[in-house]
Amino acid sequence: SYVLTQPPSVSVAPGQTARISCGGHNIGIKSVHWYQQKPGRAPVLVVYNDNDRPSGIPERFSGSNSGNTATLAISRVEAGDEADYYCQVWDRSSDHYVFGTGTEVTVL
Amino acid sequence: QITLKESGPTVVKPTQTLTLTCTFSGFSLSTSGVAVGWIRQPPGKALEWLALIYWDNDRRYSPSLKSRLTITKDTSKNQVVLTMTNMDPVDTATYFCAHSDPRDCIVGPCYVFDYWGQGTLVTVSS
Repeated sequence: SYVLTQPPSVSVAPGQTARISCGGHNIGIKSVHWYQQKPGRAPVLVVYNDNDRPSGIPERFSGSNSGNTATLAISRVEAGDEADYYCQVWDRSSDHYVFGTGTEVTVL
Repeated sequence: QITLKESGPTVVKPTQTLTLTCTFSGFSLSTSGVAVGWIRQPPGKALEWLALIYWDNDRRYSPSLKSRLTITKDTSKNQVVLTMTNMDPVDTATYFCAHSDPRDCIVGPCYVFDYWGQGTLVTVSS
């Protein structure tokens, strides 16, 4: 089955840019979606289709995808961005949905 | 406004069958393209996709849990039901249901989980 690998944690100072990677075999040919989850809350979609944002999501959230790695970037990081972030794809070959291992973002 | 809410037992015993209901509003599961999925999250661990049912009653299951899962829908009641057999303590998790509909993606139509329920914690313990 398809596997998505994320770093367990990323730390970033306020005002800087956080980058979260999501590794998967040929992930560049898939559409990648990203979710933010704060403690005790349901996940929230922040980026879909590699780099599209749902309404209400700040422009500070952006994504890229190429080769074997997709990346979520959070620019001008704020304390409120502290959360777990998950990537997700649909694996066309198996018609299954896959989530990444998750990354905890800490704002220093 | 789309909302979803999960309901079901908070505790089940090992070997029992879990039945969870997702009751939703703001959309119809008879509308072409719409789907509802189930995702779970053990305490302190990552999200895990379980199952998805489409408007046309087509269904998809996680390959690792397929033998234990059944997803059904009752369009008239705006509900989706997930059953999981032979529960084990490792199945202790928060179970979420989520709305999905196709979006225009680079690879063609793709599904994302854009609205989620609040989740319900299910503990498996004797």
